[in-house]
Amino acid sequence: SQKIEQNSEALNIQEGKTATLTCNYTNYSPAYLQWYRQDPGRGPVFLLLIRENEKEKRKERLKVTFDTTLKQSLFHITASQPADSATYLCAPLEGDSSYKLIFGSGTRLLVRP
Amino acid sequence: NAGVMQNPRHLVRRRGQEARLRCSPMKGHSHVYWYRQLPEEGLKFMVYLQKENIIDESGMPKERFSAEFPKEGPSILRIQQVVRGDSAAYFCASSPPGGEGETQYFGPGTRLLVL
Repeated sequence: SQKIEQNSEALNIQEGKTATLTCNYTNYSPAYLQWYRQDPGRGPVFLLLIRENEKEKRKERLKVTFDTTLKQSLFHITASQPADSATYLCAPLEGDSSYKLIFGSGTRLLVRP
Repeated sequence: NAGVMQNPRHLVRRRGQEARLRCSPMKGHSHVYWYRQLPEEGLKFMVYLQKENIIDESGMPKERFSAEFPKEGPSILRIQQVVRGDSAAYFCASSPPGGEGETQYFGPGTRLLVL
């Protein structure tokens, strides 16, 4: 079955450093993958979408990579700030679907001032 | 442009009652998706609707749950005879026409608590 794995342990880093979050998927190849941010008690907020034919996507301080050989996506936040503290969700498409997202359980990021 | 709206934000029901959750998609969006999030778990797809049509309800429990997206008005997720296991956060997302393969924008969610 299709599985999405994100590090369940919180990532604790110092302000100004680069945060790197990992998303691994098994048993299939999604056509694209999205990253969302979720704050406590809120809905997920879309950050970036990367397609299978794209190696890397950037948006301001955010960068996402998509390695279809390793079946892995990395999400980077450079020059991290305390306001970046949140849970980050990886959501690739499920199987052959063009709309059904499978969400990982998320990795909590804590940025210390 | 207002985002996806959901109401109520919090809903408390006793076992056996009905829960009705409403979702208004972003302006111009005609695709609606419902997801459920249990504590400490990822969001799970429930159903995908377009105006007046259920496209995919493969994630919906077979009994007690139903969804609609009428021509006018919000999408409704209805849970009949709620049980404690239905307690969760229910999120609605929307995407624009031609929207399969496009970004899904999420609402703030409805947190259902069944006593």
